[in-house]
Amino acid sequence: GAGVSQSPRYKVAKRGQDVALRCDPISGHVSLFWYQQALGQGPEFLTYFQNEAQLDKSGLPSDRFFAERPEGSVSTLKIQRTQQEDSAVYLCASSGGTSGLADTQYFGPGTRLTVL
Amino acid sequence: KQEVTQIPAALSVPEGENLVLNCSFTDSAIYNLQWFRQDPGKGLTSLLLIQSSQREQTSGRLNASLDKSSGRSTLYIAASQPGDSATYLCAVRWLFNSGGSNYKLTFGKGTLLTVNP
Repeated sequence: GAGVSQSPRYKVAKRGQDVALRCDPISGHVSLFWYQQALGQGPEFLTYFQNEAQLDKSGLPSDRFFAERPEGSVSTLKIQRTQQEDSAVYLCASSGGTSGLADTQYFGPGTRLTVL
Repeated sequence: KQEVTQIPAALSVPEGENLVLNCSFTDSAIYNLQWFRQDPGKGLTSLLLIQSSQREQTSGRLNASLDKSSGRSTLYIAASQPGDSATYLCAVRWLFNSGGSNYKLTFGKGTLLTVNP
């Protein structure tokens, strides 16, 4: 595709609800990243996939957060039992190349999650 | 701890001025450094990527420099325009990360730039 797309763009959830956020990376990009950006802060790393393999999930804040990329393309970030502190913009990025080490990361527009 | 700091947090300048945004990082063993632009409600747009072996990169009115030994990078914007108004983010990919892989980017909090017509 032309760029990284994310859906929904906005999500309002009641505390305790489960949410699922979708990311469609640039076609053919091997590497996919999720970041969380709180208001007034820079993005913070959550997790990284190389194809379908989740190689790094060290940034996931709790076991309520789960990400998958079963076919090595589209990825879903799921948050269970949402809490107010989960309110943030969730950004997805993808990059080309097998390692992703040297490639520019291309970001989607983000999903703004508000937990009431 | 590997951290990225950006100063100033906010900057307001009149149109036409040349300006410098600063980024500092705590660990000099970096793989590369990227500068991004973020417009309100939008994702990040990559502006420049500097590999650890490079000293600077240029794109149009933008020039980014890298000094690993001092742990600093600067983004120079020439002849600023109102359309340059945005938040500018600096991000570092380190060679090694104690808590995980070295694929991730560590971001500063950004500099909010306003260029007044």
